[in-house]
Amino acid sequence: GNSVTQMEGPVTLSEEAFLTINCTYTATGYPSLFWYVQYPGEGLQLLLKATKADDKGSNKGFEATYRKETTSFHLEKGSVQVSDSAVYFCALALNAGNMLTFGGGTRLMVKP
Amino acid sequence: IAGITQAPTSQILAAGRRMTLRCTQDMRHNAMYWYRQDLGLGLRLIHYSNTAGTTGKGEVPDGYSVSRANTDDFPLTLASAVPSQTSVYFCASSVTGSYGYTFGSGTRLTVV
Repeated sequence: GNSVTQMEGPVTLSEEAFLTINCTYTATGYPSLFWYVQYPGEGLQLLLKATKADDKGSNKGFEATYRKETTSFHLEKGSVQVSDSAVYFCALALNAGNMLTFGGGTRLMVKP
Repeated sequence: IAGITQAPTSQILAAGRRMTLRCTQDMRHNAMYWYRQDLGLGLRLIHYSNTAGTTGKGEVPDGYSVSRANTDDFPLTLASAVPSQTSVYFCASSVTGSYGYTFGSGTRLTVV
């Protein structure tokens, strides 16, 4: 079956620190990969995506590269802000419009 | 406002009672989904619908039912609520052939 594994949180960083949230996947096919962000009290929002190997998704200073050889899609940001405090979910889908499989989520807390 | 509306925002429900969580979208997305979010478990798919008139079971369907009488509405019903159904419930929608879901803001349900 398909599954997504994320590093457990919470991750606590100081403002302007470098962020990495690890994500690895298992899939029966060749998936597309996603990062979603959930701000307090809200639903999930798509942060970035990559649909094939070596693609880099990027948005709002966040980046993630689709690594087929290591089945990974780690989320990175060079300098986090307090406003980045949220829960981040890694997810995969085998086909466009197909159902998403989510990881367990990683809570990020950024302190001023 | 384009998007997904969920109601109620929160609810405390006595065990054994019947409850319907409402979900309406105005984007004419063909696919809709219900997820539950529990601490440490991420989002788990309850039921889905690829198009009006069809539904399918997700990862954790027991105790829940859905219907899709039209494109816009996808209600989730708990026939006889139990405390293990205490969770935050998210409705989402997507378009076949595209990536990424649109999520509602969630319903926080407490079964006592």
